[in-house]
Amino acid sequence: NAGVTQTPKFQVLKTGQSMTLQCAQDMNHEYMSWYRQDPGMGLRLIHYSVGAGITDQGEVPNGYNVSRSTTEDFPLRLLSAAPSQTSVYFCASNDPFSGANVLTFGAGSRLTVL
Amino acid sequence: KQEVTQIPAALSVPEGENLVLNCSFTDSAIYNLQWFRQDPGKGLTSLLLIQSSQREQTSGRLNASLDKSSGRSTLYIAASQPGDSATYLCAVTTGANSKLTFGKGITLSVRP
Repeated sequence: NAGVTQTPKFQVLKTGQSMTLQCAQDMNHEYMSWYRQDPGMGLRLIHYSVGAGITDQGEVPNGYNVSRSTTEDFPLRLLSAAPSQTSVYFCASNDPFSGANVLTFGAGSRLTVL
Repeated sequence: KQEVTQIPAALSVPEGENLVLNCSFTDSAIYNLQWFRQDPGKGLTSLLLIQSSQREQTSGRLNASLDKSSGRSTLYIAASQPGDSATYLCAVTTGANSKLTFGKGITLSVRP
């Protein structure tokens, strides 16, 4: 039972480079979301999706793109990385129609932008 | 805008002590409240979820309470152990879209 899988776990980029953080879940959850965690700032919502083909912005969406072509996958794209995007990124999924509606988080992806 | 506050930022207690972690939120119109645990360098693990219609939830040595009217929740840890050392985060959902607003967490250290 894999849950939420994020890749890569670590990545170093140069300013201006692009990359995609992958997120996949095998629990058939409709809702998926991306958060970033920074010291002293807590976790902040970047983008979220309530189902395949539907995405919306969170609190800090600038500089990030997402798409949701399947229920299982929710990749986060950085088109032109900036040092301010150095952070730990977490993907999460949940089923709001279940009795529990507990969020399941991935292990995180640590990104450094030089 | 919903704001979630957790004070203090860090706490150190001796093993065996019963302790309470506090969480407050500004908008009482929440959908639910969750407590998470995060170990260093790891992801978040959900500990307890309290729906807005509930007043408390229990799991083992953990008990979480919710007082919506006052905008407060507490996480009670009984007979603390060194293995309880971690950061504990509180998060609220305002609405059915499951968007969470997190507190900054309380880093707990339980001394043997």
